[in-house]
Amino acid sequence: AQSVTQLDSQVPVFEEAPVELRCNYSSSVSVYLFWYVQYPNQGLQLLLKYLSGSTLVKGINGFEAEFNKSQTSFHLRKPSVHISDTAEYFCAVSPGGTYKYIFGTGTRLKVLA
Amino acid sequence: DSGVTQTPKHLITATGQRVTLRCSPRSGDLSVYWYQQSLDQGLQFLIQYYNGEERAKGNILERFSAQQFPDLHSELNLSSLELGDSALYFCASSTQGGGTDTQYFGPGTRLTVL
Repeated sequence: AQSVTQLDSQVPVFEEAPVELRCNYSSSVSVYLFWYVQYPNQGLQLLLKYLSGSTLVKGINGFEAEFNKSQTSFHLRKPSVHISDTAEYFCAVSPGGTYKYIFGTGTRLKVLA
Repeated sequence: DSGVTQTPKHLITATGQRVTLRCSPRSGDLSVYWYQQSLDQGLQFLIQYYNGEERAKGNILERFSAQQFPDLHSELNLSSLELGDSALYFCASSTQGGGTDTQYFGPGTRLTVL
């Protein structure tokens, strides 16, 4: 069965520091990968997605993620975070050829001044 | 603004009652998804509809049901409510309901069961 693991439930980081939020998945088939962000009191919105092609994907607000097939990972990175990046970040996987869409448990990013 | 609307924004009710949550998808989107988000369970996929037909089912309780109408809006019905049903309920929509789609989320309905 497919699954998504976000190992870090909370990540505190100082403003202007780099951050990496980890996402690992398990699947016996090829997958499509997504990162969504949820700001306080709002719904989720798409940050970026990997469907095919270049393994480095750039998204909105300066975020990027790298698809690593051998390590079954899709970690999210930002070189310099802002206070406004404080939010919950969800990784999601869709196994190819299915309609399934599996979300991870989320990582709360807290950017400190 | 994602273009997905949900009503009501807040709902307070008592145990044993029944409520209906409504969702209007983005213009042109054929697929609707329902999710439940709570502190202890995280974001749980409930059910997906595509053009009026049920397409996928997740962790949806038997007390819960949903449908998508010909005008593509969707309703989630929750009955025999329990304290544990208190949560944020999100609706999302996408164009074709396939695995490559971006899902656009509404602002959610916060349900409080007293």
